[in-house]
Formats: sequence, structure tokens, C-alpha cells
Amino acid sequence: EAQVTQNPRYLITVTGKKLTVTCSQNMNHEYMSWYRQDPGLGLRQIYYSMNVEVTDKGDVPEGYKVSRKEKRNFPLILESPSPNQTSLYFCASSSYTGELFFGEGSRLTVL
Amino acid sequence: SQKIEQNSEALNIQEGKTATLTCNYTNYSPAYLQWYRQDPGRGPVFLLLIRENEKEKRKERLKVTFDTTLKQSLFHITASQPADSATYLCALDMDTNAGKSTFGDGTTLTVKP
Repeated sequence: EAQVTQNPRYLITVTGKKLTVTCSQNMNHEYMSWYRQDPGLGLRQIYYSMNVEVTDKGDVPEGYKVSRKEKRNFPLILESPSPNQTSLYFCASSSYTGELFFGEGSRLTVL
Repeated sequence: SQKIEQNSEALNIQEGKTATLTCNYTNYSPAYLQWYRQDPGRGPVFLLLIRENEKEKRKERLKVTFDTTLKQSLFHITASQPADSATYLCALDMDTNAGKSTFGDGTTLTVKP
């Protein structure tokens, strides 16, 4: 089954404790991206990647890092999380045709 | 500045009627536009994609139009059903191969039986 898998789905952490949200896709897609969704602000892109070792900033990259060492994986790293990074995070992948496949989301709370 | 606006935050209609959702944009020249459905707590699900040189696209009860002069897309659901109740998002892509979609805030549709 074609899917994008994110882990963890739910996480409560404390300010400053580094965390990684993993994302994996099994569709051999070139493009992968991370979004955050907040009430009243909609979906905003954090980072995206056009292929292995090629990443670029989205609209809200501050406080986040990504890497794309393998085509199927695109982890999102929060080196020093802060409460304003409390949000619902989505990973997505797409081929050259453009339509995005989203994961089920990771709800992160930073205390 | 660039802006994507979806007509209203909420739209309520009666079952069987046609729902029409609007996506307006300014200061963009999108290569294509997409519509997604999102249920509470779930990831968005792709519905339709329409390219800048296309006027209309259909898929079962769904129809999308794209007017690059008006800078507007209309999304229609005909013969609506309560199961169509969800939030609908439009997304623009500036580049045919960038994978860098920008989303509107969404319209929450409620179809009442």
C-alpha cells in the first residue's frame, strides 16, 4: 500500500530537549516536504527536498533542520524545541506530477 | 505580497445541493492548482489538480475550474452528501517540478441531511 509514515504520532516534550520526527515514503517519490498546521494559520511549509541531498527552506524554517540522505526518508529535527513549535506536523511526498501524499500527522506539544 | 484566500471559513448546505468553494490568489502565477480534502485530525487527501492551460477538470461529482485572468479557482461538489463534510484546501504551485505547494486556510463544508 502506498503510504507516507510519520513517527511519533503524538509527543509531549520539554523546552530544549532535541527531538526527531521521522518520515518515510514507499512510492519512490522525488519530492518530500514538511508542513506545520496551526489554527488560523493553515498549512505552512517548513522545508522541502527535491531529491537526495537537495533541500531548501520553506516559509517557516526557523528552529528546524532536515536531511535527505536516502530517497525514502526525510526526518525533521528540532534541535532545541520551544513552546511556539507546539503544532500538528505533516510530512508529504510527491512525484513530478505534483499531487501530494500526506502522512497522518504528528502532534507535538512542547512544555 | 502573495496571498491565497478561500471564500469563507465555513459553508453549510443541504444534502443534494451543489457546494461551490472559491480559491482566490494575488501576486502568484501558478503552474497548477490543487484541491485537497482534510478530515479532523487527519492528513489532507488529494482530490484534483488543474494546470494553468486547463479551464476545467472533472472527477465523478467533483469539478474544478481555473481562471488565470480572474486569478480564481472554483471547486464544485454536485449532489452533496453528509459524507462530503470536511475542510477543503486549495494549494498553488509556482513551478511544475518544485514540489513546493502553498496552501490556503481552507473552507469547512457541512452538508446537512
